[in-house]
Amino acid sequence: NAGVTQTPKFRVLKTGQSMTLLCAQDMNHEYMYWYRQDPGMGLRLIHYSVGEGTTAKGEVPDGYNVSRLKKQNFLLGLESAAPSQTSVYFCASSFANRGRKTQYFGPGTRLLVL
Amino acid sequence: ELKVEQNPLFLSMQEGKNYTIYCNYSTTSDRLYWYRQDPGKSLESLFVLLSNGAVKQEGRLMASLDTKARLSTLHITAAVHDLSATYFCAGSGTYKYIFGTGTRLKVLA
Repeated sequence: NAGVTQTPKFRVLKTGQSMTLLCAQDMNHEYMYWYRQDPGMGLRLIHYSVGEGTTAKGEVPDGYNVSRLKKQNFLLGLESAAPSQTSVYFCASSFANRGRKTQYFGPGTRLLVL
Repeated sequence: ELKVEQNPLFLSMQEGKNYTIYCNYSTTSDRLYWYRQDPGKSLESLFVLLSNGAVKQEGRLMASLDTKARLSTLHITAAVHDLSATYFCAGSGTYKYIFGTGTRLKVLA
């Protein structure tokens, strides 16, 4: 199993450009999450999904959109990138079952917005 | 709304010493998690604590949970350099996970 993978690993954008980050998991997890990590801020939840075709807002959703068309994929979109979105983005997934809810994290995507 | 606070934020300790990282949370949490993150790397799950009084140990790390005090601790015994990393605790509700800001641990030889 590859676990949780993220594409790309690193990207540089200019202000106003758009991009999509792809998260894929092969563990048949129901739940998927997008976080951003900034120095001294821990991880903050951007959006999450509890199943195919469903998405919900987290703590810091502004400026981001998501889609989960397939159970194994969770896409994070930036329509018009801003320097404040420079961060490391982590995707995570977990089972829905209460006894198996440990999150598994992807390797991260480093995004620099100039 | 669940909030999670960790302290200390930074911890520099000598090899062979013991220390404890504290994690306080504001409201009922479904369960409590501890993660480790090495510089430039992703997060690795260390412990999942499910109920009051739960204690889990792995090597030199031991985590415990007191739901009445809304407190979890990560105790480090006889620290070694390999334990240098950032440690996060997280609480959870039905769907969401809320992370503390992390404790950056540096173990000095």
